[in-house]
Amino acid sequence: SQQGEEDPQALSIQEGENATMNCSYKTSINNLQWYRQNSGRGLVHLILIRSNEREKHSGRLRVTLDTSKKSSSLLITASRAADTASYFCATATLLNSGYSTLTFGKGTMLLVSP
Amino acid sequence: EAGVAQSPRYKIIEKRQSVAFWCNPISGHATLYWYQQILGQGPKLLIQFQNNGVVDDSQLPKDRFSAERLKGVDSTLKIQPAKLEDSAVYLCASSLAGTATAQAFFGQGTRLTVV
Repeated sequence: SQQGEEDPQALSIQEGENATMNCSYKTSINNLQWYRQNSGRGLVHLILIRSNEREKHSGRLRVTLDTSKKSSSLLITASRAADTASYFCATATLLNSGYSTLTFGKGTMLLVSP
Repeated sequence: EAGVAQSPRYKIIEKRQSVAFWCNPISGHATLYWYQQILGQGPKLLIQFQNNGVVDDSQLPKDRFSAERLKGVDSTLKIQPAKLEDSAVYLCASSLAGTATAQAFFGQGTRLTVV
């Protein structure tokens, strides 16, 4: 089953604008990760935020995590046409074995127009 | 550093036939994942290996899907017999260890079409 639910399902913006995507999940997590997928490069890891962190930055990316609300957001600032892709949140949760597994949401399709 | 290698990239088969996909993870990565991604959806975990042992196969349709990672390195996923609904991209990923802070590295995937 898929743990994360991204919102919105699709987002269309102009270059230079900011894009915000949200992710909600159901069970407790060790960390939450965001991935990008486009036809050229497959699924690529963008950023990881641990359950004890509230905010993290990487270049034009800003991720927040609210474990009390079981939600996260990904902000892409000053978007570019090259940011056009599908974005997925993935939650890392602990298995009974002690290892961690990675469960993906359904994704947000972002279209950035020149 | 070489990435996750998958083959073939594309496969078209008729329903009820069998098919196998191969994955070679990044060297030294103990954790290997197989995901199924149907068009328009997120990746769904089929099976996760830690070295050559299975740590999660709860969503693997075991009546038709099987996977192995005999020497704890490369892995094979098989479907026998295939159904139309198995048409999807099969993604292999690996990570250093199945611990709390490991990111996954993905291969380009195998696009399977069942006709």
